[in-house]
Formats: sequence, structure tokens, C-alpha cells
Amino acid sequence: GAGVSQSPSNKVTEKGKDVELRCDPISGHTALYWYRQSLGQGLEFLIYFQGNSAPDKSGLPSDRFSAERTGGSVSTLTIQRTQQEDSAVYLCASSFNYDTGELFFGEGSRLTVL
Amino acid sequence: AQSVTQLDSQVPVFEEAPVELRCNYSSSVSVYLFWYVQYPNQGLQLLLKYLSGSTLVKGINGFEAEFNKSQTSFHLRKPSVHISDTAEYFCAVMGIGGGSQGNLIFGKGTKLSVKP
Repeated sequence: GAGVSQSPSNKVTEKGKDVELRCDPISGHTALYWYRQSLGQGLEFLIYFQGNSAPDKSGLPSDRFSAERTGGSVSTLTIQRTQQEDSAVYLCASSFNYDTGELFFGEGSRLTVL
Repeated sequence: AQSVTQLDSQVPVFEEAPVELRCNYSSSVSVYLFWYVQYPNQGLQLLLKYLSGSTLVKGINGFEAEFNKSQTSFHLRKPSVHISDTAEYFCAVMGIGGGSQGNLIFGKGTKLSVKP
């Protein structure tokens, strides 16, 4: 597709369950980012991938969070043993290259943990 | 490491009035600076960017921003706002070089509400 695609758009889960959020970046974009958007907290950086380099995981809030990017394209963000404070909109973005700062965002996956 | 402070969480303004959304940053290295906009129920999109050169940069929809290195600021301005400018605006910074490049840090956002 033409833009960044994220799925699911909405996910409701119970506390303690694992969830997977998927991101399909724009074709040809080498950099891929995950952010978390909570009410009043702005965008919190989680992780970014650039090509085949080791990802920058410095923003992941705990070891319950992990992400992978297969074949330099699709990425999956996994949250294990979800907690209520994980409720947020998870945004994925891609960029032609990691050092431009010009990110193209998807519409996000809204996660609600009951 | 870099950080961004957006001093106003909400800015109400009347249509056709001028507006300034304030952004200050902190960084130990040189930076690139950005403003992104999120319209209601839409994804974020790039409004404008400063990479180098002229400190006054112009973006889409009549917005402009000025990079002030001495004051570590990158305030966003528009001389006359329209109802359709109602959105949340995010300032962002990226350190240049070293391990920080690629890591785009966002502020907490400013909600601009334009009233008729």
C-alpha cells in the first residue's frame, strides 16, 4: 500500500494476556519506529530499526516489551503479561533513512487492557 | 540525550488571529528540529523541518518556525489561523551524529483549538 499500515486498529485484552501489534512500513523505507501515545504524555519513543543494524531498544519501558522486524520490512511489537498501564495508542512510523527525521506514521493500534 | 519541552498543553485562539506554539529543546550535540501535526482522528504528518541553512523555515498550510540556537527554541507561528488548523502539534528533535542520530524525540504536544 501507499502508507504505513498497522493492525489491529483496536485491541481489547485482559490483564496478564500477551498481545502482538503489527506494522507494515512503506515499501523501500529502511527505518521503522515504534512510539506509544498516552493521554497527556505525548509520544514516547520505544524502539527503532535501521536496515540490518541492531535496533535501538533504549525506549522500551520493561522487559515485557519486545519487537522484531523480519526481512527488513514488517515489524511486530509484542507486549507480554499486559498491565493496565500499557493501555495506549501504539504508533508505527517508517522513514526512507534513519537520519532524516521525516517519519510517515500509521494510524495506530489502540490497546485497552482491562 | 535530547529532550523537548512544549510549554503550552492547550492554546485556544479565535479564527484569523495569529498564533505561536512554543518549543524548547535540550541537547549536547547539534540537532535537527521538526514540527508534526495530528488532525482529529488522523495520523501524524510532518509540518516542517529545520536541518541547516536559513533559520526561518516554512511548512505546509502557512505555518513557519524559527530556529534560535542561543535560546534553544523552535517556535511555530502562523499569522492568521483557520478553523481547519485545529489539531495537536508536536515538536521533535533529533541529535546529529554519534549514537543519538535516528532517535526522534517528541514533546508532549500542544492542542490548538481555533474558535469562530
